[in-house]
Amino acid sequence: DGGITQSPKYLFRKEGQNVTLSCEQNLNHDAMYWYRQDPGQGLRLIYYSQIVNDFQKGDIAEGYSVSREKKESFPLTVTSAQKNPTAFYLCASSIRPRGFYNEQFFGPGTRLTVL
Amino acid sequence: AQTVTQSQPEMSVQEAETVTLSCTYDTSESNYYLFWYKQPPSRQMILVIRQEAYKQQNATENRFSVNFQKAAKSFSLKISDSQLGDTAMYFCAFFVNNNDMRFGAGTRLTVKP
Repeated sequence: DGGITQSPKYLFRKEGQNVTLSCEQNLNHDAMYWYRQDPGQGLRLIYYSQIVNDFQKGDIAEGYSVSREKKESFPLTVTSAQKNPTAFYLCASSIRPRGFYNEQFFGPGTRLTVL
Repeated sequence: AQTVTQSQPEMSVQEAETVTLSCTYDTSESNYYLFWYKQPPSRQMILVIRQEAYKQQNATENRFSVNFQKAAKSFSLKISDSQLGDTAMYFCAFFVNNNDMRFGAGTRLTVKP
């Protein structure tokens, strides 16, 4: 079955630690995205990637980093510089990059809690 | 600035009745796409309906329809014959270009038996 997987579903982190959230897709999509969701707010874009080895900052990139070494994978690292990392993180992908709209398909999300 | 406003944080409706969720947005662009996404308790985001701004006809998907008023920058979602499975957070969103997707804060809808 084609889709987007995120792991782990729940993640706990101690203050000062970096953690990496996994996002994999087998839809052969070119573009991938990371969003953060907080209570009472909509989704906010952290980073996006339109092609392998290229990525762009979204609205709230500070304290986060990403890589795109393979088309199907777009891991997100939450660094110790992120002051308030407790949130729900959603990964998405779409078939075409910049300049065209195509539907974004979402993964099931990862809930990150800082202890 | 491009923004999306959902003025109803929470709503409820009786099963089989009709409910309308409101959304307004602000953009200076003339061509864009509008969406309603559903996020049930599982937290999986599901696309409910899509509207292209250059199309005057309102989009419809089974029990879901929109009222798109471009001049007023309004994009409301009507759910007819509400079902228990419609209970979810609903997010209004719009896409302009260059991967700029903006989401509203969401409306929590509860369908009561």
